[in-house]
Amino acid sequence: GAVVSQHPSWVICKSGTSVKIECRSLDFQATTMFWYRQFPKQSLMLMATSNEGSKATYEQGVEKDKFLINHASLTLSTLTVTSAHPEDSSFYICSARPSGRTKNIQYFGAGTRLSVL
Amino acid sequence: KQEVTQIPAALSVPEGENLVLNCSFTDSAIYNLQWFRQDPGKGLTSLLLIQSSQREQTSGRLNASLDKSSGRSTLYIAASQPGDSATYLCVPFRGGSNYKLTFGKGTLLTVNP
Repeated sequence: GAVVSQHPSWVICKSGTSVKIECRSLDFQATTMFWYRQFPKQSLMLMATSNEGSKATYEQGVEKDKFLINHASLTLSTLTVTSAHPEDSSFYICSARPSGRTKNIQYFGAGTRLSVL
Repeated sequence: KQEVTQIPAALSVPEGENLVLNCSFTDSAIYNLQWFRQDPGKGLTSLLLIQSSQREQTSGRLNASLDKSSGRSTLYIAASQPGDSATYLCVPFRGGSNYKLTFGKGTLLTVNP
């Protein structure tokens, strides 16, 4: 099956620093990738839709200057949490939608747990 | 806007029981529906994908049914095992130009040895 690799799986950082999370589709190309955030015991909430070669589309209430998304290739999207603060501590999950053939499915990464001290 | 409700919110059973997890969604114009499991602190593992034209899908001890017109899906787990303990998520997908997924809070299942 299709594999989405997310790295790192866990990161701890100091308040005010920036953290980059990578999402890679290993055996398929993905024109579109999605970034979700999940707080403890809550649902996954879509943060933004990442489109290869163009600007990401952010959901209402998500600060685009704080959560920078770059989708520079058909297999890689990155989410950078800039000037992280403790309230940004959460579980971040990406998903990727294959280009071409099976379009109506998304494959998920294993998630990244961010802890901001 | 799609809304997903899963009942029960939590379920604790002894090992060996057959289980039923229920899911309802408000927008029945879906392309497919997936059931995922999520282990604590982990990502999502896809269990079953049902196309809108199908009524059920089976994989091992798991069977998922779909009644698209009424906006309902059910996941049956036969002979439950402690390893089945996880949160189960039902995710309807509208398709077309809108690839956004809507998640509910899921059902937290605990299977006791």
